[in-house]
Amino acid sequence: KAGVTQTPRYLIKTRGQQVTLSCSPISGHRSVSWYQQTPGQGLQFLFEYFSETQRNKGNFPGRFSGRQFSNSRSEMNVSTLELGDSALYLCASTFQGGGTEAFFGQGTRLTVV
Amino acid sequence: AQSVSQHNHHVILSEAASLELGCNYSYGGTVNLFWYVQYPGQHLQLLLKYFSGDPLVKGIKGFEAEFIKSKFSFNLRKPSVQWSDTAEYFCAVNMASGSARQLTFGSGTQLTVLP
Repeated sequence: KAGVTQTPRYLIKTRGQQVTLSCSPISGHRSVSWYQQTPGQGLQFLFEYFSETQRNKGNFPGRFSGRQFSNSRSEMNVSTLELGDSALYLCASTFQGGGTEAFFGQGTRLTVV
Repeated sequence: AQSVSQHNHHVILSEAASLELGCNYSYGGTVNLFWYVQYPGQHLQLLLKYFSGDPLVKGIKGFEAEFIKSKFSFNLRKPSVQWSDTAEYFCAVNMASGSARQLTFGSGTQLTVLP
């Protein structure tokens, strides 16, 4: 079966702009989580969506937001980009979330200049 | 809040050497434990997981891990590494129940296997 698909793979944005990243989970998976990966902070949880509702949120400013559609596809948005937002953004899908295995996409590499 | 510590940031081994990567977590409740691997340029892949039962779990590619509850540890082992095991390894944990089911990751261990 197809894996987790994230688009685009690479993005270059300017400070102050906003960006939207997309994630298509594995067919049948209803939970989508987002993580930020940086060399300094490692992998940090952003938020999780399940059945179109945000179920959990990590410790990130309100500039980071997301949503999930009825087909379980998810988007995350970062507004007013800062240089420190440069990172690899990973999406993970699970069948129901939590204790089941999370499958990760290849990520979107965001560079803010 | 839960946290995960990986003791080694970078490990360099020769092929056929044995591997053990340390992982300790801090959380008072029941947890699920995972080891993920990230090969260069590839996505995170699950190596193995522990939910309950036998504390010695076997994963893909000859990896295994042992959950020692009293030590809050979940160390990854492989008896004989190969050059293709060169990758970054992440230990992760989440709560076994409740709504906060997100993964908390360790900082990762970069493994370099010399041919």
